[in-house]
Amino acid sequence: DADVTQTPRNRITKTGKRIMLECSQTKGHDRMYWYRQDPGLGLRLIYYSFDVKDINKGEISDGYSVSRQAQAKFSLSLESAIPNQTALYFCATSEPKVRPGLAGGSSYNEQFFGPGTRLTVL
Amino acid sequence: DAKTTQPPSMDCAEGRAANLPCNHSTISGNEYVYWYRQIHSQGPQYIIHGLKNNETNEMASLIITEDRKSSTLILPHATLRDTAVYYCIVRLNTGNQFYFGTGTSLTVIP
Repeated sequence: DADVTQTPRNRITKTGKRIMLECSQTKGHDRMYWYRQDPGLGLRLIYYSFDVKDINKGEISDGYSVSRQAQAKFSLSLESAIPNQTALYFCATSEPKVRPGLAGGSSYNEQFFGPGTRLTVL
Repeated sequence: DAKTTQPPSMDCAEGRAANLPCNHSTISGNEYVYWYRQIHSQGPQYIIHGLKNNETNEMASLIITEDRKSSTLILPHATLRDTAVYYCIVRLNTGNQFYFGTGTSLTVIP
């Protein structure tokens, strides 16, 4: 079974509709992220959450909201979808680790991504 | 926050080493260099990361210059399945965000 799942995998909707994309994880990680990907623009961070009570805006949060219902669940909502929100959306999780022996004791991260949700807004 | 610069595309012959460069001239002392790859429309996949020393795992090797201003990801024997977009990322200090950029599209040619 996949560690990070997203539902739905594909969705077509109309302008003005409310849409919710859901993400679930079985990795036990506290940190969860939502990204969108547009052709030629790489991945851009929408929102992230470091635990159930923590929500932070990313690069492009306008027009989106999120809910962290539990450690394992992080939902992304488009309150009133518009065509330029047509994109591929990815959820990710991570857990910081400390690498021993390094100067400064710097922590590092490995992010684990879901399979993506392709959203089309007509 | 340190950003990265990568060539937009590269080709590599199957079986040969693929060397993917990345410039990160504004990297700060405690920032790691990460490499991820994304195979067509799938979720990105972690490959390797490093701070100062060269690193190797079962997937690839990472060579970081002494001044840490650039690095190279090496896939020692590229296969057709290595065709993907490769992202070089420097971890931002604030908020633990990752800036993915546009990456390098690697095509492995039979």
